Amino acid sequence: ETGVTQTPRHLVMGMTNKKSLKCEQHLGHNAMYWYKQSAKKPLELMFVYNFKEQTENNSVPSRFSPECPNSSHLFLHLHTLQPEDSALYLCASSHPGSGVNYNEQFFGPGTRLTVL
Amino acid sequence: SQQGEEDPQALSIQEGENATMNCSYKTSINNLQWYRQNSGRGLVHLILIRSNEREKHSGRLRVTLDTSKKSSSLLITASRAADTASYFCATVHTGFQKLVFGTGTRLLVSP
Repeated sequence: ETGVTQTPRHLVMGMTNKKSLKCEQHLGHNAMYWYKQSAKKPLELMFVYNFKEQTENNSVPSRFSPECPNSSHLFLHLHTLQPEDSALYLCASSHPGSGVNYNEQFFGPGTRLTVL
Repeated sequence: SQQGEEDPQALSIQEGENATMNCSYKTSINNLQWYRQNSGRGLVHLILIRSNEREKHSGRLRVTLDTSKKSSSLLITASRAADTASYFCATVHTGFQKLVFGTGTRLLVSP
């Protein structure tokens, strides 16, 4: 395993539900990421947190709300989602880096989300 | 768009053969990374190559980078059925602090 865990692994929710995805990393990293992976589309970066501060919001709709209480935990709160939001949601972590030293990311197994 | 493109989209080979996947990108990069994803699972980092490097090796993996052609290749030698997965290149573009993933190559290695 990569040291990054995600729960739940599978989630089915209605459009009016509120649910949360959880990610935890045991690697001592200070950067955490949420990605969305839809069928036949490239992996899309959603949010980035560095040292608990959000440093990137890739024009994500407000029905997705991230939370990073500490460097080891990352949440994605979901409300009033649409069927097109059905996808695999991946969490990743890394040591912060920049330029040629931008570091590799360690991914969790993902949460398969289905919105009915 | 900074998104890279992998070629081919799908590759089917026999065990023991070599597999070559290519990645092209459009704007200058600081580094390029290759990842592997088994069906429905998370991605696993394979290898990172910096913009000032031309070739790197890791076990049966060999990655090359040609910044003049804005392309990279991943070679898997002596492939095994367990290498069956999707392979993605991801680029860190100059001036940006994030990974941009390509569309991936689906590799099928038959016993």
